[in-house]
Amino acid sequence: DQQVKQNSPSLSVQEGRISILNCDYTNSMFDYFLWYKKYPAEGPTFLISISSIKDKNEDGRFTVFLNKSAKHLSLHIVPSQPGDSAVYFCAARWTGNQFYFGTGTSLTVIP
Amino acid sequence: EAGVAQSPRYKIIEKRQSVAFWCNPISGHATLYWYQQILGQGPKLLIQFQNNGVVDDSQLPKDRFSAERLKGVDSTLKIQPAKLEDSAVYLCASSLLPVGYGYTFGSGTRLTVV
Repeated sequence: DQQVKQNSPSLSVQEGRISILNCDYTNSMFDYFLWYKKYPAEGPTFLISISSIKDKNEDGRFTVFLNKSAKHLSLHIVPSQPGDSAVYFCAARWTGNQFYFGTGTSLTVIP
Repeated sequence: EAGVAQSPRYKIIEKRQSVAFWCNPISGHATLYWYQQILGQGPKLLIQFQNNGVVDDSQLPKDRFSAERLKGVDSTLKIQPAKLEDSAVYLCASSLLPVGYGYTFGSGTRLTVV
């Protein structure tokens, strides 16, 4: 039962443009969301988070938007850079100890 | 600060053999997690430790998987006997807070069972 879904396995964007990565979830009890970035042969690294009491969180070029009514999360990267090319995972927490991860979206930023 | 250390990086074994993975978390991180990431899927939690106690092992296949965290620092994850479907990357992560606001992951151990 996949509670966190990333329906786009891959995304290609031109350098300088906006990258939008999407994530949908099914459990309305999730209260905290994170985005992780993963390069090949490395572990995922924490990128940005958002609490369910907010609808937006910004950190430099990265902004996460949360739409609770739609159970939808998105990550915006502006402007996109070639170094942003990686696999991005969204993760959600439900009043407990573990985060449920999506299947990831592979982002390629074309120079 | 030093990151989460894992070893080995790669392991190939035959089915029904046993294997062990090692993890050294970031110094001072009380919470340690083992995740399994099968190719094409997101990481799935196997077990969570708070210091040397188990907080959540509900998704650990206990008939073949075991984990321990002696002295609340290093941890080992063992599979015995391994099955083909255990082929995956095993990720260790640690965090300061028990509920994991932003884990720090290690580079993982890629296990191939043939």
